[in-house]
This record gives sequence, structure tokens and C-alpha cells, in this order.
Amino acid sequence: AQSVSQHNHHVILSEAASLELGCNYSYGGTVNLFWYVQYPGQHLQLLLKYFSGDPLVKGIKGFEAEFIKSKFSFNLRKPSVQWSDTAEYFCAVNARGSNSGYALNFGKGTSLLVT
Amino acid sequence: DGGITQSPKYLFRKEGQNVTLSCEQNLNHDAMYWYRQDPGQGLRLIYYSQIVNDFQKGDIAEGYSVSREKKESFPLTVTSAQKNPTAFYLCASNRAQEAFFGQGTRLTVV
Repeated sequence: AQSVSQHNHHVILSEAASLELGCNYSYGGTVNLFWYVQYPGQHLQLLLKYFSGDPLVKGIKGFEAEFIKSKFSFNLRKPSVQWSDTAEYFCAVNARGSNSGYALNFGKGTSLLVT
Repeated sequence: DGGITQSPKYLFRKEGQNVTLSCEQNLNHDAMYWYRQDPGQGLRLIYYSQIVNDFQKGDIAEGYSVSREKKESFPLTVTSAQKNPTAFYLCASNRAQEAFFGQGTRLTVV
């Protein structure tokens, strides 16, 4: 079955620490990959996306992610987190050519607290 | 501004009552989706529609129903058959394989 796994459910970091959130997926075909962020009390926002091309993608607010096809991974990184990065982060995948109309399959999310 | 509007933001209902959540978009997108968000569960797909007058069940469709009579509108009805309806519900539309989300409706059934 198709699935998306986020390895860390809760992460606590000090300001200026580096961040890496893991995401692995299991899909048979070609995929599009996304990271979304949900700040407390706010709606879901797109951080970055990967469709094709350079596997290192840069998003908003200094975030980046690397697609490693051989590892079925799309890990999110930020060199130095800020208190304002406290939020919940979701990895999501949709499959090209699927019969589900590009519906997203989400991981369970990672709650990041920056102190 | 273009976007997706969900209303109301908060909704309270008594157990056993059906309730309809509104989702309207002015982005001219063909595809629309309903997701349910629960703490620690991520977002799970309830229903989706790729075109007017057509919709398909997602992963957790039991106890829900939808309609798609207009391109702009994709209302979700939470029926009394849904065993655990209290949740945060998100509507989305899609263009060029990318989703755009509304602000959500938090439904509480008491």
C-alpha cells in the first residue's frame, strides 16, 4: 500500500540549531513531493515542492529539501531554526498518473518546538 | 483575492445530527478534496472530485457524503453514521498537481 512515513513525531530544538526532518514514502511510480507547515492556529501552507529536475529544492523561510530517489526519501532541512519555526510539519506525496486525481497522501506530521 | 473559503470556522452539533460543511473556491480549479485532520494522524482523504457531477471515495469515506453540482462548490455532509466526527476538516483544490487549502472547519459533536 502507498504510504508516507515521518520518523520524528516531536522535535525540540534550541534557537540556531540545525533541523532535519525525515520523510520516506512507498510508491511504485513517479511522484510529486511536498512539505507543508501549519503554524499554531493557522492554515496549512506550502513550504516547498519537488516535481522534477534538481533534487535539492529550496522553499520559503530558508527551508530546503533533498529528494533521494534510491532511498525514497524527501528530508526537510534548515541550517538555523528560529523561535517562529515552531509549528507542525507535514510531508505529502501524490502520484503522477494515478486514478486519485492527485490527491495527497500525508505523513502523520512532526511537531517542532523551538525554545 | 482568489482562494478557498470554508465556513464556518467553528461548528458545534449534537450527536446524531447531520451537519454540512461548506467549501467554495474561486480559483477555477476542476479538482477538489476533503481531508480530515486528527492529532497525531496527519491528514486523511475523505472524498475527492475531479470534475462537476463526479466524485470518489477516499480512504475514510464512511459516514460522510458530498456533492459537486457546481465547479465552485464541494460541500461535505457529516452524517450520524460517522462514529467519531469531532475533528478538523480541510478542503482543498488542485491545479497543475499542486493543492491549495482552505482555513478549515473545526467540528465538535457533543
